[in-house]
Amino acid sequence: GAGVSQSPSNKVTEKGKDVELRCDPISGHTALYWYRQSLGQGLEFLIYFQGNSAPDKSGLPSDRFSAERTGGSVSTLTIQRTQQEDSAVYLCASSLTPGGTEAFFGQGTRLTVV
Amino acid sequence: GIQVEQSPPDLILQEGANSTLRCNFSDSVNNLQWFHQNPWGQLINLFYIPSGTKQNGRLSATTVATERYSLLYISSSQTTDSGVYFCAILGGSARQLTFGSGTQLTVLP
Repeated sequence: GAGVSQSPSNKVTEKGKDVELRCDPISGHTALYWYRQSLGQGLEFLIYFQGNSAPDKSGLPSDRFSAERTGGSVSTLTIQRTQQEDSAVYLCASSLTPGGTEAFFGQGTRLTVV
Repeated sequence: GIQVEQSPPDLILQEGANSTLRCNFSDSVNNLQWFHQNPWGQLINLFYIPSGTKQNGRLSATTVATERYSLLYISSSQTTDSGVYFCAILGGSARQLTFGSGTQLTVLP
């Protein structure tokens, strides 16, 4: 696609429910990244993919968070048993390769846990 | 991991003024990007500038990798320049960008 696309744009969920956030990277980009931005804060790295593999999962805040990428394209970030502290904007980015190439971000998914 | 510090944290300008935003980092850099986060939360790419100087309209950026800093210049600021400016670094053996805490810019009419 022309840019990184994320869905949904907004998600309101009840505490304890599971949610899935989707990211569709720029066509041909092998690297995909997930970040989280809490209200008024900077960007916190969660996980990155090289192709379908996730060499670095160190940023995932707990075992309730998981992510996968299939076909070297679309990625899904899943949060199980959501908590209020999970409320944030989840941003996805892609780049041609991991490392020294320019990264482009999607518009984000605003998650609110009530 | 690499440390990224941005200054100033907040900046208020009158429309038409010029400004300089600074980004200091603690390690050698493979990738450095400047982003503008607009009021809707979208991160807009401004510059991909691991070294050297680039200009795009009223904006320009300079990275001096050997001295571990980058500068973003905004000239003749407009109200639409308001938002948060982030510097993001990829350094050392890392494969993901590390973001600074941002500069909140407010341009008053």
